[in-house]
Amino acid sequence: DAKTTQPNSMESNEEEPVHLPCNHSTISGTDYIHWYRQLPSQGPEYVIHGLTSNVNNRMASLAIAEDRKSSTLILHRATLRDAAVYYCIPAPSGTYKYIFGTGTRLKVLA
Amino acid sequence: GAGVSQTPSNKVTEKGKYVELRCDPISGHTALYWYRQSLGQGPEFLIYFQGTGAADDSGLPNDRFFAVRPEGSVSTLKIQRTERGDSAMYLCASSLAALDTQYFGPGTRLTVL
Repeated sequence: DAKTTQPNSMESNEEEPVHLPCNHSTISGTDYIHWYRQLPSQGPEYVIHGLTSNVNNRMASLAIAEDRKSSTLILHRATLRDAAVYYCIPAPSGTYKYIFGTGTRLKVLA
Repeated sequence: GAGVSQTPSNKVTEKGKYVELRCDPISGHTALYWYRQSLGQGPEFLIYFQGTGAADDSGLPNDRFFAVRPEGSVSTLKIQRTERGDSAMYLCASSLAALDTQYFGPGTRLTVL
């Protein structure tokens, strides 16, 4: 399983973009990169996933480095509701056993 | 539509007692997962069901932990002879099929005194 390194915590001002980095230097060629987030007192919530190309959805964008050893989750305009722990999870195609790590705690300042 | 629900939301028990934690997955989801989350840590995989059968129980910490899903929908995680170290948040997730996006419930906070 690929090991991940994420900052323990980050801060952002409300309505500003946030870039959450993740290093996964041991990722294998077929591992997808999943991002989940966990709001306070809730279960994890799917955010986005990708393999090689950058991905966009209504929640966020995922930028994947060309060598795939790192990725960045981009929240285009942070809101107070985005305060959560964000987990980067490299997982082989065909796996159901996600390994969450400790994630990055994002604090959004009003 | 309704998401994954878990009951109870909180459970306090005494060391040595038996507890059952219930998970109602999203209707139509065939795959169901249990995870355990200790304070300050990410969730850790316990068991995966495909339909009624436990396809992978490799994450269960010991034989005091057991889970069932008799009709392929609701699942119950059972813990015998609880220990203080079992105190954690127990999360359930479901997905439409085995490898699809997992949707998590709010969890059951278990406290063993």
